Amino acid sequence: EAGVAQSPRYKIIEKRQSVAFWCNPISGHATLYWYQQILGQGPKLLIQFQNNGVVDDSQLPKDRFSAERLKGVDSTLKIQPAKLEDSAVYLCASSFFDRGSNEQFFGPGTRLTVL
Amino acid sequence: GNSVTQMEGPVTLSEEAFLTINCTYTATGYPSLFWYVQYPGEGLQLLLKATKADDKGSNKGFEATYRKETTSFHLEKGSVQVSDSAVYFCALSRNAGNMLTFGGGTRLMVKP
Repeated sequence: EAGVAQSPRYKIIEKRQSVAFWCNPISGHATLYWYQQILGQGPKLLIQFQNNGVVDDSQLPKDRFSAERLKGVDSTLKIQPAKLEDSAVYLCASSFFDRGSNEQFFGPGTRLTVL
Repeated sequence: GNSVTQMEGPVTLSEEAFLTINCTYTATGYPSLFWYVQYPGEGLQLLLKATKADDKGSNKGFEATYRKETTSFHLEKGSVQVSDSAVYFCALSRNAGNMLTFGGGTRLMVKP
């Protein structure tokens, strides 16, 4: 079974530029999550989708971050404009929504460096 | 709100030593508890989990018991190997399909 795919793996941009990350979840997983992991810290949820609807985006900085999940499969996360403090690893995870299971499967992440 | 606190690292051990990484949590209700591991250069992987009080999760020689009375989920292994060197994250989830709340991570370094 293929895992969660993310691209690009690495990205370096200047502050005030824009950047987009892509995630393809495990086939059949209805729930998709984007987490931000700053160096030395645990991941923090940015947004959660159930199919193509947003379940929780309370910690997403909506003035600069946006995310979509068209057709309930792939998802993109965008930052516009980027700030120095956005330097982090952006993790995508997916899960098969089932009351008996809440295991999330993580992708390899995209490491963003903002200069 | 929900939170997870785990011991700061790095934890440095010799091969075959006993490992304990402490984890305590704050949450309403009865969350599920997890340990995730991040090996160098790799993504997060689920190591073990427990979904109710007194459950013991185990995998690859690691164990953790869900202690509701002490709100803890400490990770243990009787004999660590060099290959166990990684960052370990304790996490909780309120319900199936809900977000994970992570601790800050503990780096384990095992020397031969």
